[in-house]
Amino acid sequence: GESVGLHLPTLSVQEGDNSIINCAYSNSASDYFIWYKQESGKGPQFIIDIRSNMDKRQGQRVTVLLNKTVKHLSLQIAATQPGDSAVYFCADVLSGGGADGLTFGKGTHLIIQP
Amino acid sequence: DTGVSQDPRHKITKRGQNVTFRCDPISEHNRLYWYRQTLGQGPEFLTYFQNEAQLEKSRLLSDRFSAERPKGSFSTLEIQRTEQGDSAMYLCASTRGGAKNIQYFGAGTRLSVL
Repeated sequence: GESVGLHLPTLSVQEGDNSIINCAYSNSASDYFIWYKQESGKGPQFIIDIRSNMDKRQGQRVTVLLNKTVKHLSLQIAATQPGDSAVYFCADVLSGGGADGLTFGKGTHLIIQP
Repeated sequence: DTGVSQDPRHKITKRGQNVTFRCDPISEHNRLYWYRQTLGQGPEFLTYFQNEAQLEKSRLLSDRFSAERPKGSFSTLEIQRTEQGDSAMYLCASTRGGAKNIQYFGAGTRLSVL
């Protein structure tokens, strides 16, 4: 089964508000996580990554938090803009079997209300 | 544009035909990955190459699927005797270095099998 998954399929927020997208993972051996943004008809676009030796990492308007105790990570987007509308995926490196592909969850569709 | 390039962007074929997709990775990226994405799902890892060596192919969906990277640069993914269930977006990604590095994705090839 999947080693990562997202809590909600759709998240609707008002423009200018902060957005929080959550992700749970099941494999305690996972030690590298990436958030991607995917707009309709396009490939996934890298947002931010975090390694398990960190609890928090910040980028431009985005912050990722990692809680290894409960195997949970979140993506926070500050001052959400219309261009943030997309599907957001968390992914980790596939563990076991020597494969190095990413394992993605199903995604959260972020909708920005004007 | 120095990103990952995929060709064609769209492919419509009849059931039973063979199709081939091409991926040109970011220059100097030694690792190249193939994923499949169906509607409403996250990308699913298929196979990857380090230079010209295919290091993981057990996750290819069936023996109708094959991939090559003969000179360690571009790669091709072939599907023989296509089935309607093969209809999906096929994504390519590349990275430099090991598994715990950012994978950059192309825009994908959307396959429709009639």
